[in-house]
Amino acid sequence: KAGVTQTPRYLIKTRGQQVTLSCSPISGHRSVSWYQQTPGQGLQFLFEYFSETQRNKGNFPGRFSGRQFSNSRSEMNVSTLELGDSALYLCASSLLGTDTQYFGPGTRLTVL
Amino acid sequence: KQEVTQIPAALSVPEGENLVLNCSFTDSAIYNLQWFRQDPGKGLTSLLLIQSSQREQTSGRLNASLDKSSGRSTLYIAASQPGDSATYLCAGLNAGGTSYGKLTFGQGTILTVHP
Repeated sequence: KAGVTQTPRYLIKTRGQQVTLSCSPISGHRSVSWYQQTPGQGLQFLFEYFSETQRNKGNFPGRFSGRQFSNSRSEMNVSTLELGDSALYLCASSLLGTDTQYFGPGTRLTVL
Repeated sequence: KQEVTQIPAALSVPEGENLVLNCSFTDSAIYNLQWFRQDPGKGLTSLLLIQSSQREQTSGRLNASLDKSSGRSTLYIAASQPGDSATYLCAGLNAGGTSYGKLTFGQGTILTVHP
């Protein structure tokens, strides 16, 4: 089975812009979680989607949003980018959201 | 609120040594605990998952244990190799419907195995 894929792998944006990141889960997985990883804060949970519904959300401002499509692919969007949004954004998929999570390679976002 | 701590922050050992990485968590209402490794600039690779009802899991040279009562998990690596050099992360998933898909991570242990 193919693993979790994320596109694009690298992004450079300027402050105030918006960005959309994409995640394709392992075939058959219906849960997709998103995480932000920074050197200072480590890995922090953003949100989780299951069957197109957001079931859980972390402590991030409303500028961070996401959605999931009927084929379980997920996107996350960050609007009005700030310098502090520079990070590695990781998505993970699992069958149910309560079992083993498998991570993609991440999208490295740099905000200038 | 679940908090996860990993000790030590960094560890350097010679090849062939057996080693133990420690993970502690504050909320015993844990559903499962996962160990991951992360290579520089890469995503996370799942190593082991231990359910709250289990005491340990083994995969090859890796053995992970879980003690809910003390709030601790350990990852034991036998006969370490240079290829084991990476950052090791533990993460807990809490029980309860509000915890779907939400892993709480420790800060990680940076392991260096030198030849």
